[in-house]
Amino acid sequence: EAAVTQSPRNKVAVTGGKVTLSCNQTNNHNNMYWYRQDTGHGLRLIHYSYGAGSTEKGDIPDGYKASRPSQENFSLILELATPSQTSVYFCASGGRDNNYAEQFFGPGTRLTVL
Amino acid sequence: GDSVTQMQGQVTLSEDDFLFINCTYSTTWYPTLFWYVQYPGEGPQLLLKVTTANNKGISRGFEATYDKRTTSFHLQKASVQESDSAVYYCVLGPGTQVVGQLTFGSGTRLQVYA
Repeated sequence: EAAVTQSPRNKVAVTGGKVTLSCNQTNNHNNMYWYRQDTGHGLRLIHYSYGAGSTEKGDIPDGYKASRPSQENFSLILELATPSQTSVYFCASGGRDNNYAEQFFGPGTRLTVL
Repeated sequence: GDSVTQMQGQVTLSEDDFLFINCTYSTTWYPTLFWYVQYPGEGPQLLLKVTTANNKGISRGFEATYDKRTTSFHLQKASVQESDSAVYYCVLGPGTQVVGQLTFGSGTRLQVYA
C-alpha cells in the first residue's frame, strides 16, 4: 500500500492560472518535502515542512507557496503559473529514523503550463 | 553550499556487463552518501547508503563506497540485468541547514540490453 500519494498525476494549466498539487503520507513522518525534477538538474528542493502548520523555503522557492494543514497533507501552490514551471513534481516524507536521512517519495505529478 | 557532480548522463550496457558510476561531492559537513534509483513512472527510492568513508554499502547486488580524500563516491555492480535499467542518483545528505535535506546529482540513466 502506497505510503506517499500525489494528486493529480497529470495536470495541464494555462499561464497565469492557479495550480494546487496535493500530497498525502501515511508514514506518520514529521518532515515533508516538495521537489521538482528537470533534465540535467536532478531533483531540487522547493519547500519543506517540519510538521503541521510549518512551511520553509528550500533552494528554489520563487513562484511557489506551500501549505501543511495536517501531519498527513502537504500542498504546493502556484498562484500564477508560468511555462517555466512545467516540470515533474515530487513529494517526499522523512522521519526520525536514520536521522531523517531516508526520504520516501510519491509517484510524481507531471505539470504542463501552456 | 553542498553540491554533487554526476558526470555520466547515460550509460549503455549489455546484460552481465560490469557497472561503474562515479560522483564527486562538496560539503563542509561529515557526509552521509546515498544512491537512489528511479524506475520509469515512479519516484526515487533509496538503493543504499554509506555513512563512513571506505566502508561499503551493499544492496541488491550493488556496492557503494566513498573516498574522503578525493571526495568521490561510486556505485558498482558486477553483472547488470535488464531489470536494472533505471536512473541512478548520487545524493548527499542530510544537510546541516535543513533537517533531512538531500542534495541530488543530475542522475545517470542506465540502459541494459538483453
